[in-house]
Amino acid sequence: DAGVIQSPRHEVTEMGQEVTLRCKPISGHNSLFWYRQTMMRGLELLIYFNNNVPIDDSGMPEDRFSAKMPNASFSTLKIQPSEPRDSAVYFCASSLRPSTDTQYFGPGTRLTVL
Amino acid sequence: GENVEQHPSTLSVQEGDSAVIKCTYSDSASNYFPWYKQELGKRPQLIIDIRSNVGEKKDQRIAVTLNKTAKHFSLHITETQPEDSAVYFCAATNGGDYKLSFGAGTTVTVRA
Repeated sequence: DAGVIQSPRHEVTEMGQEVTLRCKPISGHNSLFWYRQTMMRGLELLIYFNNNVPIDDSGMPEDRFSAKMPNASFSTLKIQPSEPRDSAVYFCASSLRPSTDTQYFGPGTRLTVL
Repeated sequence: GENVEQHPSTLSVQEGDSAVIKCTYSDSASNYFPWYKQELGKRPQLIIDIRSNVGEKKDQRIAVTLNKTAKHFSLHITETQPEDSAVYFCAATNGGDYKLSFGAGTTVTVRA
């Protein structure tokens, strides 16, 4: 298996632009997580899907952030409009089941908003 | 919700020595405790985990211990090597809540 796949690996954009991050979980995994990592705040869970359904988006910073999972093999995290404080590494992770199953992280997308 | 504290934030050890990282958690219902290693510019990767029905688990040079009464767990790395240099994160979850609560991380540097 190729593992969790994320694209793009790097994204540089200007403030106010729309940014879309993409994730393909490991085949057969039913749970998908979006995290954001910064030096100041560490690893933060943004949103979690189980069987393609968003379960908890309480970690999403504000309405500028949205996430979708239209099918079991694809998810997107969108930021519109982007701001410099959104600059971070965004990780997608998947697991077979939630909670006590190992979460496998993707390579991450390094986002820079100028 | 769960709160995980991790210490120390940085750790420098001589190659061949042992390294110990400690974490405490707040939710007594937590029952799964994974440890992740993140090398510079890379993704976090699971290196070992322990469940609440076990007090200790070993895998070659790494081991994890769990004290449920005191609500703390530790990572032990023996015979450290330069490739052990990385950031290590502990995490906890109570099983009923899907969320993994991560510690702030420990930057381990192994001096040759």
